Amino acid sequence: QLHLHESGPGLVRPSEILSLTCTVSGDSIRSNGYYWGWIRQPPGKGQEWIGSIHSTGSTYYNPSLKSRVTISVDTSKKQFSLKLSSVTAADTAVYYCARQSIDVGAINPWGQGTLVTVSS
Amino acid sequence: DIQMTQSPSTLSASVGDRVTITCRASQSISSWLAWYQQKPGKAPKLLMYKASTLESGVPSRFSGSGSGTEFTLTISSLQPDDFAIYFCQQYSSYSPEYLFTFGPGTKVEIK
Repeated sequence: QLHLHESGPGLVRPSEILSLTCTVSGDSIRSNGYYWGWIRQPPGKGQEWIGSIHSTGSTYYNPSLKSRVTISVDTSKKQFSLKLSSVTAADTAVYYCARQSIDVGAINPWGQGTLVTVSS
Repeated sequence: DIQMTQSPSTLSASVGDRVTITCRASQSISSWLAWYQQKPGKAPKLLMYKASTLESGVPSRFSGSGSGTEFTLTISSLQPDDFAIYFCQQYSSYSPEYLFTFGPGTKVEIK
């Protein structure tokens, strides 16, 4: 059974870089039919797609975050990572990593999520 | 970009009620729509994809319909475990800068 787990600091200072890693277990991260991506949910709000990466390295980013986001993949470690620069309080959210199906356009499964708070 | 809206934002219902949630896209997305259920403090759970295909393991009281710009999620007989937030999501393979967009969610609460 596929399982994804986010890890990284729960507190980031304003203007610094938010870094999270997602570790995949139970299936290959090299599967052609999937993107691996990040989604966030600010407190009390809806979901926002941050970006996605294919195992080939192709990346897609939300235009509203594109200038600050980098997503990378390390297939040997079965991990993919998110870096978000110049963070502000508006970036405080629960961050989820997830597998995203190219064939059916759905996101499944999601990691458990990790709360990242931006505060000094 | 493709915007998603949902109605209602909150729905009060009783166990056994038939419940319908509507999701609208700002432009045609064919059938590239998924529905999710989310409970407090938990990750979203996929219910439906390609507008009307039930994800494995999801009870058959859930059904989806629609294409183009208007979609519905129906729960035929609301069960205690169904009180949660439901949101839709579009997938845009031909416009990858807007690969995924989510609706704001509908809270189904106990009447």
